Amino acid sequence: GEDVEQSLFLSVREGDSSVINCTYTDSSSTYLYWYKQEPGAGLQLLTYIFSNMDMKQDQRLTVLLNKKDKHLSLRIADTQTGDSAIYFCAFTTSGTYKYIFGTGTRLKVLA
Amino acid sequence: NAGVTQTPKFQVLKTGQSMTLQCAQDMNHNSMYWYRQDPGMGLRLIYYSASEGTTDKGEVPNGYNVSRLNKREFSLRLESAAPSQTSVYFCASSEGHDYGYTFGSGTRLTVV
Repeated sequence: GEDVEQSLFLSVREGDSSVINCTYTDSSSTYLYWYKQEPGAGLQLLTYIFSNMDMKQDQRLTVLLNKKDKHLSLRIADTQTGDSAIYFCAFTTSGTYKYIFGTGTRLKVLA
Repeated sequence: NAGVTQTPKFQVLKTGQSMTLQCAQDMNHNSMYWYRQDPGMGLRLIYYSASEGTTDKGEVPNGYNVSRLNKREFSLRLESAAPSQTSVYFCASSEGHDYGYTFGSGTRLTVV
């Protein structure tokens, strides 16, 4: 099967780092993505990593991929109140149009 | 602004009524998708259209039909609404399945 699991909630203080985790079962993922959903809005693509990479950094965002453990993480440095949202990991499987989303992690940033 | 536009934003239906959710994109994307979002279940694919003129079932197609009217527009129809179809519906588009998606702002549907 192609399951993707995320913890439901994460609470951090403003200025701290946030780490959002995602585990998956499918091993043929070509790209793995992180999306952000703010209240009442659609999902917004934050960043992605190609499956042959271990790490990708994009300003305050760092994506780590451990292919052996099928574990993906998103680190947000210097977390701000504007980062409060739901974060979804997602991946595609090669050869199909099936795009799998995790259940989402609700990040709450405390001032 | 370029993007994906969904209408309506909110809708309440009675059981058995029908309606069509509209979606249009102006990014010249080939692929379009309909998802539903339910609490604790992430997003589930209802139908997708890999290119103009083609449509295929996703994970949860029962009770829905779609039309890819042209490259820009992809509509989702509920022929006989049921309470189990109460959800938030998102339309998305992409250049292809290995590219990130652009999502609309969603339609919140309640079936009573």
